[in-house]
Amino acid sequence: DGGITQSPKYLFRKEGQNVTLSCEQNLNHDAMYWYRQDPGQGLRLIYYSQIVNDFQKGDIAEGYSVSREKKESFPLTVTSAQKNPTAFYLCASLRTSGSAGELFFGEGSRLTVL
Amino acid sequence: AQRVTQPEKLLSVFKGAPVELKCNYSYSGSPELFWYVQYSRQRLQLLLRHISRESIKGFTADLNKGETSFHLKKPFAQEEDSAMYYCALYTGGFKTIFGAGTRLFVKA
Repeated sequence: DGGITQSPKYLFRKEGQNVTLSCEQNLNHDAMYWYRQDPGQGLRLIYYSQIVNDFQKGDIAEGYSVSREKKESFPLTVTSAQKNPTAFYLCASLRTSGSAGELFFGEGSRLTVL
Repeated sequence: AQRVTQPEKLLSVFKGAPVELKCNYSYSGSPELFWYVQYSRQRLQLLLRHISRESIKGFTADLNKGETSFHLKKPFAQEEDSAMYYCALYTGGFKTIFGAGTRLFVKA
């Protein structure tokens, strides 16, 4: 069953702690993305990676970090420097052949800072 | 500036009524536009894209370059259409710009 798998679904964190959200894909897509979804603000791009060992900052990268050591994996770390980390986080990958431009999304991870 | 605008945060219609979710874009190149939908407890997924010119679940969307719009329409709304809808602009170069989203409620 091809797709994007995110874990954990729900995560609670104390202030001052870093947390890492996992994102794995088996679609053989080169490009992967992390979005933050807040009510009324749509999807805002945090980081994206076009290819292994390369990634770029999105519109709201401050307080976040990523790595892309494998094509299948694109983990996101929410650091203690992120001032308002409570949100719903979505990982996605991009189809660039055939019907190019379509994004495939995971089910999301909801992070709550206590 | 590249931008996607969905002017309605919330749209409420009765079952069987026509529905139109508005989307306007700002882009100097040749746009590739998409509608994504997020049903309750489901992942965000593609509904339709302008290139395919398909009707999916009774929804259609026509690209109007003169008005820079890509409104989503359905002649007779159903309760199962209740969801969050996002208009998105793919600019190539691995970037996609999303609108703020419109939550559609279809009342019985």
